[in-house]
Amino acid sequence: DAGVIQSPRHEVTEMGQEVTLRCKPISGHDYLFWYRQTMMRGLELLIYFNNNVPIDDSGMPEDRFSAKMPNASFSTLKIQPSEPRDSAVYFCASSFRGSLLSGNTIYFGEGSWLTVV
Amino acid sequence: KQEVTQIPAALSVPEGENLVLNCSFTDSAIYNLQWFRQDPGKGLTSLLLIQSSQREQTSGRLNASLDKSSGRSTLYIAASQPGDSATYLCAAAGYSTLTFGKGTMLLVSP
Repeated sequence: DAGVIQSPRHEVTEMGQEVTLRCKPISGHDYLFWYRQTMMRGLELLIYFNNNVPIDDSGMPEDRFSAKMPNASFSTLKIQPSEPRDSAVYFCASSFRGSLLSGNTIYFGEGSWLTVV
Repeated sequence: KQEVTQIPAALSVPEGENLVLNCSFTDSAIYNLQWFRQDPGKGLTSLLLIQSSQREQTSGRLNASLDKSSGRSTLYIAASQPGDSATYLCAAAGYSTLTFGKGTMLLVSP
């Protein structure tokens, strides 16, 4: 398997523009996570899905952020309008049965590096 | 709310040294504790996972321990190599989420 695939890998955009980040999880995984990483705050969970259904979006910073998972093989994280403080690395991760309880780990993509100027 | 702290934030050692990275968490009601490695510009790679009922896990030169009652975990790296240079993150597993520390940036010089 190719692992979790994210696109774009790098994006530079102007403040106020819409940004869409994409993720293809590992085939067969039924949990999908979106994380954000910054120097100041480290890795933060934004939202996660189980079987394409959003389970917990309490980490989404504000209404400018939205995430969707229309099918088992694709998810998007959208920021509209973008602001300079949104600059970060956004990671998508997936897991089989999401079983952190039983010790299944989660697999991360290589991240989308977003810079908002 | 779970909080995870890692000490030190950065560490520089000469090749061959044994070293210990520390991780502490505030809520001991965890299901497991995981250690990840992150190379610059890359995602996270899982290194070791310790179930809450376990005390330690070993993989090659890596050994991770867990003391739930005190809210601590350590990652021991034996005979460090330049290829071990990376950021190491620990994460405490709640019901369905992982709470991460900010990591320890390790540099092993030849």
